[in-house]
Amino acid sequence: ETGVTQSPTHLIKTRGQQVTLRCSSQSGHNTVSWYQQALGQGPQFIFQYYREEENGRGNFPPRFSGLQFPNYSSELNVNALELDDSALYLCASSVRGLMAEQFFGPGTRLTVL
Amino acid sequence: AQSVTQLDSHVSVSEGTPVLLRCNYSSSYSPSLFWYVQHPNKGLQLLLKYTSAATLVKGINGFEAEFKKSETSFHLTKPSAHMSDAAEYFCVVSDLGIAGTASKLTFGTGTRLQVTL
Repeated sequence: ETGVTQSPTHLIKTRGQQVTLRCSSQSGHNTVSWYQQALGQGPQFIFQYYREEENGRGNFPPRFSGLQFPNYSSELNVNALELDDSALYLCASSVRGLMAEQFFGPGTRLTVL
Repeated sequence: AQSVTQLDSHVSVSEGTPVLLRCNYSSSYSPSLFWYVQHPNKGLQLLLKYTSAATLVKGINGFEAEFKKSETSFHLTKPSAHMSDAAEYFCVVSDLGIAGTASKLTFGTGTRLQVTL
């Protein structure tokens, strides 16, 4: 069984640029959630996707957007990058309705200069 | 709104001594509670979860946690610390993923566990 994978591992961008992060769900999982973990903080919920539609969103602006594909993989897109967007971005997959247990990928470290 | 408070940002123990990481939660209904561990440069790993069954929950690597509704607490314990336990620990609360709603996880700010010889 393949776990949750994310790419790239690290990424450096400059302020104002756009970035796309990718996530492959664990086999059999139909729900993907994205979290932002700033340095020294706990992860913060960005949004969740189920059946290719956004299904719940945290306190993040619209320049954070996402996609889920028919194979349940997902992308996180961030436009107009700001310095405060520098963080570890975590993807988690789960099976909807099974007590919310989520399985996390290793994350993508984004640095905005 | 649901939330968790981790009472200690840093805990230091000697190898072989007990570990106690404290967590209080706030939720308007019976919550699902989790403890996750994050080793440096690694992803989050689930240690254990409480989902309204037994109040004493046993997890991996000898960790356990007790759900105390009267105290709104979910403290994590281990009888004897090992050097490999050094990591960041997160207490997490979740809704139950009721149909039509997102099963959002709300994390605490984390407790860094240091284990010394």
